[in-house]
Amino acid sequence: EIVMTQSPATLSVSPGERATLSCRASQSVSSNLAWYQQKPGQAPRLLIYGASTRATGIPARFSGSGSGTEFTLTISSLQSEDFAVYYCQQYNNWPLMYTFGQGTKLEIK
Amino acid sequence: EVQLVESGGGLVQPGGSLRLSCAASGFTVSSNYMSWVRQAPGKGLEWVSVIYSGGSTYYADSVKGRFTISRHNSKNTLYLQMNSLRAEDTAVYYCARDRSGRTRGGVYYYYGMDVWGQGTTVTVSS
Repeated sequence: EIVMTQSPATLSVSPGERATLSCRASQSVSSNLAWYQQKPGQAPRLLIYGASTRATGIPARFSGSGSGTEFTLTISSLQSEDFAVYYCQQYNNWPLMYTFGQGTKLEIK
Repeated sequence: EVQLVESGGGLVQPGGSLRLSCAASGFTVSSNYMSWVRQAPGKGLEWVSVIYSGGSTYYADSVKGRFTISRHNSKNTLYLQMNSLRAEDTAVYYCARDRSGRTRGGVYYYYGMDVWGQGTTVTVSS
């Protein structure tokens, strides 16, 4: 079983500053890695897939990088609407498994 | 507009059954991979099941043998039949369009879950 570990659990950042969120896989997942944003009471929203490709309609301030076991989501200049919980997710086709990280809560400093 | 709307959640006793529905609009369920994902109160996301466009189905170990994913093509609707429910199945259940697949050359790819429903709440309690 592939375990996804996100760090930190909580990140406090001021609006306008950069936020860097990390996700580590217990074994290589190649580039089969997605990032989601979830606000309270809402469904998750796809931000990044393929480790670094922005989903449709996602602002350019969101960027993803990494491959193998180490991944990063960077938000270049935080806007008020960016404060939320962020999840990484890996996909493995055999055995078929989708695994989410435990989430990073991005809060206003 | 591309949209998913879940229904069917509610309160059920341990050992009971429930069927969740997920009605799609703006795209065809049977032409896509479709997944169910759940979120226990105050917890993170957990993938539950997927149905491929070809009809193959897969489940998380935690629900295997108890849950069944299916679809009704003419209704453009996805389902999750949940039997032998346990307290630990209590969660908000989301359906999502799953952009995983395989190229003609046999290479698997994953483009994420790009459309999500609003979720339906299942509570298993006596």
